[in-house]
Amino acid sequence: AQSVTQLGSHVSVSEGALVLLRCNYSSSVPPYLFWYVQYPNQGLQLLLKYTTGATLVKGINGFEAEFKKSETSFHLTKPSAHMSDAAEYFCAVTPSGGSYIPTFGRGTSLIVHP
Amino acid sequence: ETGVTQSPTHLIKTRGQQVTLRCSSQSGHNTVSWYQQALGQGPQFIFQYYREEENGRGNFPPRFSGLQFPNYSSELNVNALELDDSALYLCASSLGQVTLQGEQFFGPGTRLTVL
Repeated sequence: AQSVTQLGSHVSVSEGALVLLRCNYSSSVPPYLFWYVQYPNQGLQLLLKYTTGATLVKGINGFEAEFKKSETSFHLTKPSAHMSDAAEYFCAVTPSGGSYIPTFGRGTSLIVHP
Repeated sequence: ETGVTQSPTHLIKTRGQQVTLRCSSQSGHNTVSWYQQALGQGPQFIFQYYREEENGRGNFPPRFSGLQFPNYSSELNVNALELDDSALYLCASSLGQVTLQGEQFFGPGTRLTVL
């Protein structure tokens, strides 16, 4: 079984400030981990993913995330928030073997203040 | 290159009715996955079709069914609609059976309201 917990349904930052969106997972097998972004009235877009190899993963739009196995975490960060980053962000996990059925977190709404 | 498209954009049905949602996958993609996203929730995997066969199913009852056509477009059918079926239904296409290591491309979704 696998599950994803995103801490904080809403995160509010000022433009130019650090963005930190938290994701913790549980999985009985080594996971593949993903972050998606969803803008209003649009589908999800992949920001970045971790499958194997380097644990610090860089994605689009200046986002990055670090896989920390000991903490079962995959937090998303961006050094400097931009107004255009305001959106809903979803963390997702799939098992690395067998069924590839994904489990998504409930999402975190990022609010960026001018 | 055409992205993933879904129709209709919005739909209102009443309890007990049946609904069909449609998805055209991105050019060259042979795998389609369907998700249900209730308000304030993350997407939940319904099922996936690869080369016209169901290939993986989430925790949804049999009244949720699907089809994939030779051109890789897809339909999601829901029978005996319930109020809790009200949600945004997302379609995602990808190349290859093992889709979740690779990138899925999502459509904008169909918003279904059941009254």
